[in-house]
Amino acid sequence: AQTVTQSQPEMSVQEAETVTLSCTYDTSENNYYLFWYKQPPSRQMILVIRQEAYKQQNATENRFSVNFQKAAKSFSLKISDSQLGDTAMYFCAFMKAGWATNKLIFGTGTLLAVQP
Amino acid sequence: EPEVTQTPSHQVTQMGQEVILRCVPISNHLYFYWYRQILGQKVEFLVSFYNNEISEKSEIFDDQFSVERPDGSNFTLKIRSTKLEDSAMYFCASRGLKDREGQPQHFGDGTRLSIL
Repeated sequence: AQTVTQSQPEMSVQEAETVTLSCTYDTSENNYYLFWYKQPPSRQMILVIRQEAYKQQNATENRFSVNFQKAAKSFSLKISDSQLGDTAMYFCAFMKAGWATNKLIFGTGTLLAVQP
Repeated sequence: EPEVTQTPSHQVTQMGQEVILRCVPISNHLYFYWYRQILGQKVEFLVSFYNNEISEKSEIFDDQFSVERPDGSNFTLKIRSTKLEDSAMYFCASRGLKDREGQPQHFGDGTRLSIL
């Protein structure tokens, strides 16, 4: 079975600074996908970024980038130039490749507070 | 951009009553999911649905739960006899079959279910 671990329950960062959220996972699969989802106080689930395990290049979306270390099973999220609107719960999620069993497995989340 | 729509946004129900949560997935999507999030905890998979049948279900999804796609647009989750521990946020998600494998699931805004 796959597991996702987020070891930082809460983090805080000053506006305009950079913060990194950690995520590790455990799987015996070789092909899979990893995601970061953001959940603001409104409790929507918003996709932030996606990584394919067979791609070595780290994914980037504007101010958001990941450091994907497949051998270490690590998938951290870096937020640059933090903004007040980045304040949210951030969930790391794993999805096996393949059509039939493509549920998302989530970590416990990291609550990020961006301070003015 | 197309969205997954969930109704109601908040449902309050007496313990033991039946409740139906409704979702309208994105129109050309073919895979559907329900997840739940107990307050302060991680998001947990309940069930996936494809081609008018359940693809996979979790241990949480016991005989009290059922899903249905009654017409071409709605996807419902029914809880037959609600318990206090069913109080949670319920998220519907959908995904298109013809998308590249590994495309993320698109989430609705959730229904907050409160059991009294």
